[in-house]
Amino acid sequence: EVQVSESGGGLVQPGGSLRLSCGASGFTFSTYSMNWVRQAPGKELEWVSGISGSGADTAYADSVKGRFTISRDNSRNTLNLQMYSLSAEDTAVYYCVGRRDAFDIWGQGTMVTVSS
Amino acid sequence: EIVMTQSPATLSVSPGERATLSCRASQSVGSNFAWYQQKPGQAPRLLIYAVSTRATGIPVRFSGSGSGTEFTLTISSLQSEDFAAYFCQQYDKWPLTFGGGTKVEIK
Repeated sequence: EVQVSESGGGLVQPGGSLRLSCGASGFTFSTYSMNWVRQAPGKELEWVSGISGSGADTAYADSVKGRFTISRDNSRNTLNLQMYSLSAEDTAVYYCVGRRDAFDIWGQGTMVTVSS
Repeated sequence: EIVMTQSPATLSVSPGERATLSCRASQSVGSNFAWYQQKPGQAPRLLIYAVSTRATGIPVRFSGSGSGTEFTLTISSLQSEDFAAYFCQQYDKWPLTFGGGTKVEIK
């Protein structure tokens, strides 16, 4: 079965950091670019970051550039998102998404809450 | 940044009726355009990519059309399981952007 599964969410204080992980199975991980998409409660979807299949190319939304770092380990079929300097505006469900045609494979998401 | 604008924000439709959702891009995105469905408490699901290609397992009652900056998702005969939120997306240029969504509700 094709699936991705996120972990690492939780409650963090403003200014804190958090590392999200995503495990993939059921497909050839290295042939998919991978992305993080977030959705604040009751809000629209926001693309956060993406990484090419090889890991050589990365991209970030302006809202997280300089604070978040995306990485992948193709030998372990894992995707990571290291987040620093978190603020209330980063509170959201974070989805790990695999892209081949469009955003084909979605995880169930992990909730990140930034609050004191 | 390419801004995606969806209309209407809410669409009230009776089961069995046709639903037409619209999405406009602030500049041309070619054919790099997709639609997603999201039900409460669930992750989004890819419905349509490349403007009009149905994703695996998507029923034929879902169809996409359009080009450049104007796109349409049509659900030919709404089933109970189709009442949900729908989002459009362009994946032509970074940053990849989504529309604000259309909620399809039971009339």
